[in-house]
Amino acid sequence: KNEVEQSPQNLTAQEGEFITINCSYSVGISALHWLQQHPGGGIVSLFMLSSGKKKHGRLIATINIQEKHSSLHITASHPRDSAVYICAANTGNQFYFGTGTSLTVIP
Amino acid sequence: DGGITQSPKYLFRKEGQNVTLSCEQNLNHDAMYWYRQDPGQGLRLIYYSQIVNDFQKGDIAEGYSVSREKKESFPLTVTSAQKNPTAFYLCASSPGPAREQFFGPGTRLTVL
Repeated sequence: KNEVEQSPQNLTAQEGEFITINCSYSVGISALHWLQQHPGGGIVSLFMLSSGKKKHGRLIATINIQEKHSSLHITASHPRDSAVYICAANTGNQFYFGTGTSLTVIP
Repeated sequence: DGGITQSPKYLFRKEGQNVTLSCEQNLNHDAMYWYRQDPGQGLRLIYYSQIVNDFQKGDIAEGYSVSREKKESFPLTVTSAQKNPTAFYLCASSPGPAREQFFGPGTRLTVL
């Protein structure tokens, strides 16, 4: 059983589409993280949130603590958004990582 | 420029050889981590260190060893005891245990 589950595993979208990636977790958390991994392998932290909603440019992350669920939204998607998006549950002692959602945005 | 560096980016080794992966950070972070990434799986924790001269095993420490002699450096040795060492290895650091982690570019190790 995985502590963090993401859906979908793979996602293909047309440029300009609104994208949603979902994350459910089963552990108690101090924070939920969204990470972006580009084809070269490097990982960048997008969001760290413990409640509500955060926005950065075209990216929005939300979390529902009661339902143990978080979503990452991308508005007006662009080919440069193509990457693997990883959800991670931070329990305060360790991180549990989802397997990632591979997003491809087609021009 | 503050950040985390890992070297080399690609590494090849023969079966039965030990190999050491480098990780250096100039972010003045106390905590450092080593993760392994395999296709179709989430990142798995190998070792972590919250402070200099101290480190703890993660979920998959067997066949690996680390040292933390300096705050900036957390090298990982993949020993010949690791049964399936071919993987992508990521190093990360954070100001503290429950804080945001910053990742290095990774080292792809292939055992021939």
